[in-house]
Amino acid sequence: AQSVAQPEDQVNVAEGNPLTVKCTYSVSGNPYLFWYVQYPNRGLQFLLKYITGDNLVKGSYGFEAEFNKSQTSFHLKKPSALVSDSALYFCAVRDAGGSTLGRLYFGRGTQLTVWP
Amino acid sequence: DAGVTQSPTHLIKTRGQQVTLRCSPKSGHDTVSWYQQALGQGPQFIFQYYEEEERQRGNFPDRFSGHQYPNYSSELNVNALLLGDSALYLCASSLGPNAEATIYFGEGSWLTVV
Repeated sequence: AQSVAQPEDQVNVAEGNPLTVKCTYSVSGNPYLFWYVQYPNRGLQFLLKYITGDNLVKGSYGFEAEFNKSQTSFHLKKPSALVSDSALYFCAVRDAGGSTLGRLYFGRGTQLTVWP
Repeated sequence: DAGVTQSPTHLIKTRGQQVTLRCSPKSGHDTVSWYQQALGQGPQFIFQYYEEEERQRGNFPDRFSGHQYPNYSSELNVNALLLGDSALYLCASSLGPNAEATIYFGEGSWLTVV
């Protein structure tokens, strides 16, 4: 069965410091991995995705994520956090093959707070 | 370039009633999916439509049904509403149902069942 775990409900960092939001996954086949951000009372905005190729993926707003197949992880990172990065972040996985290829499986989300 | 648009943005229904939510996909997209996001949870997949057919379905009862029109727009219908159906309903679109396609989400429809 496909699943995503985001082990931290909350991450707090100071502005200007690097940030990491953790994600681990489980899929039957090859994983396609995604990060989305949700601001209060809004929908989800796409940040980045890993399909194949370079394990380090760069996305919107200076975010990047590193795919680690051996650790089944896809952690979201940013070298220097901004107060405006404060939001709810979701990791999601799609199975590259099989009968469930149409759907995204989401984690529970991690609330990121960047304080000035 | 218009993104995914949904209507209505907010609505309140009484238990036992029926509701219809509407979605227009991002320009050029032909595949629409619906997700339910309960408070404090990640989105849960309801179903996906492509070529006017339901292609995938998540673990939701038959009270949840949908439709896709030839212009790719879609509706989500929920019958016999329960209090537990209160949630944010997200429509998402992509170019094709293939796994590597990026899925874009709308702002959602907030449904409150009283």
